[in-house]
Amino acid sequence: ETGVTQTPRHLVMGMTNKKSLKCEQHLGHNAMYWYKQSAKKPLELMFVYNFKEQTENNSVPSRFSPECPNSSHLFLHLHTLQPEDSALYLCASSQEGQSSYTEAFFGQGTRLTVV
Amino acid sequence: DAKTTQPNSMESNEEEPVHLPCNHSTISGTDYIHWYRQLPSQGPEYVIHGLTSNVNNRMASLAIAEDRKSSTLILHRATLRDAAVYYCILRPGAMDTGRRALTFGSGTRLQVQP
Repeated sequence: ETGVTQTPRHLVMGMTNKKSLKCEQHLGHNAMYWYKQSAKKPLELMFVYNFKEQTENNSVPSRFSPECPNSSHLFLHLHTLQPEDSALYLCASSQEGQSSYTEAFFGQGTRLTVV
Repeated sequence: DAKTTQPNSMESNEEEPVHLPCNHSTISGTDYIHWYRQLPSQGPEYVIHGLTSNVNNRMASLAIAEDRKSSTLILHRATLRDAAVYYCILRPGAMDTGRRALTFGSGTRLQVQP
């Protein structure tokens, strides 16, 4: 238990479906992240949120839409995905300050399969 | 972002020490060296980090070269549960304005034989 919980753990969706991934952190952190891990590829940073504001979007297609309603919750809304979007989606959190930061804590991920 | 280079894979025997190398020849003066590992079917987890001096914690030791262009993660007695992908990552210091989000490379896949 890392203090970062992701649901669901597994998701199968059709290309025309709309679904959402949820991440919740119980660590009191102010920064949250979405990463994508495809088979045989390194983790790719998708989005960064600091104090609920998006601070990074690494050229992620618009079919992925993040939402951060508060510092403890992060969502990734999915619509009209492609089979190549099948991957493990990981959420992480950390505490970021002007003069210090903590290590990042990761959830166990959501294994997404697009059919 | 400063880049790190690690071997793709390494093998070890159970209860023996493991030395996982990392090269980071373009490291800047304020970059910290972080190590994370990813066990099968799990998200990455923090292992250790350092700036210049060698560091020890309950999980591992980190040996940093004097010129800081390379470092070595040391697992003193490998167990089967240490089989994972180990990532060496450079992160700017807290006072630095550089990007802090972790950028992962391919890492080193460590196999531990019983």
